[in-house]
Amino acid sequence: QLQLQESGPGLVKPSETLSLTCTVSGGSITGGFYYWGWIRQPPGKGLEWIGSVFYSGSTYYNPSLDSRVTISVDTSNHQFSLRLNSVTAADTAVYYCARQKAAPGFSGWFDPWGQGTLVTVSS
Amino acid sequence: DIQMAQSPSSVSASVGDRVTITCRASQGLGSWLAWYQQKPGKAPNLLISDASSLQSGVPPRFSGSRSGTEFTLTISSLQPEDFATYYCQQANNFPVSFGGGTRVEIK
Repeated sequence: QLQLQESGPGLVKPSETLSLTCTVSGGSITGGFYYWGWIRQPPGKGLEWIGSVFYSGSTYYNPSLDSRVTISVDTSNHQFSLRLNSVTAADTAVYYCARQKAAPGFSGWFDPWGQGTLVTVSS
Repeated sequence: DIQMAQSPSSVSASVGDRVTITCRASQGLGSWLAWYQQKPGKAPNLLISDASSLQSGVPPRFSGSRSGTEFTLTISSLQPEDFATYYCQQANNFPVSFGGGTRVEIK
């Protein structure tokens, strides 16, 4: 059964870079037509897609975050990672990673999800 | 970019009630729409893909339908474990977008 697990610091200072890694187990990060995505949820609010990466390294980003986001994939270690630069308190959220079942020309849906990790931006 | 207008934002209902949640897309998606259930402190869980395909293990009281760019999630007889927040997500193209969520509360 495929499982995803987020890891990284739970506290980041304003203006610094948020870095998270998602480790995939129980399945291949390169098999099938899947993207691997990051989604976040500020406390008490809804879901916001951050971006997605294909195993080849091709990426799609939320236009509202595009200038600050980098998502990369490490197929040898079954991981993909998120970097978000110049963070502010508005970036405080639970960050989820998820597999995204897509098809050529379609973005697809997310299943399964990691359990999520709370990242707080504060000095 | 495709915008998803989800309504209502919250609904109060009793066990046994029929609940309907709607998402309207700003442009055509075909059937590329998913529904998720999220319980407090937990990750969202995929309920329905392809607008109407129930995921394995999801009770048949959940159903999804599509009429043009309007999508509906129906819970035919609300159970205690169904009190949660529900989100739609357009899966047609990038950038991905979610509806604002519907909180189903106990009446």
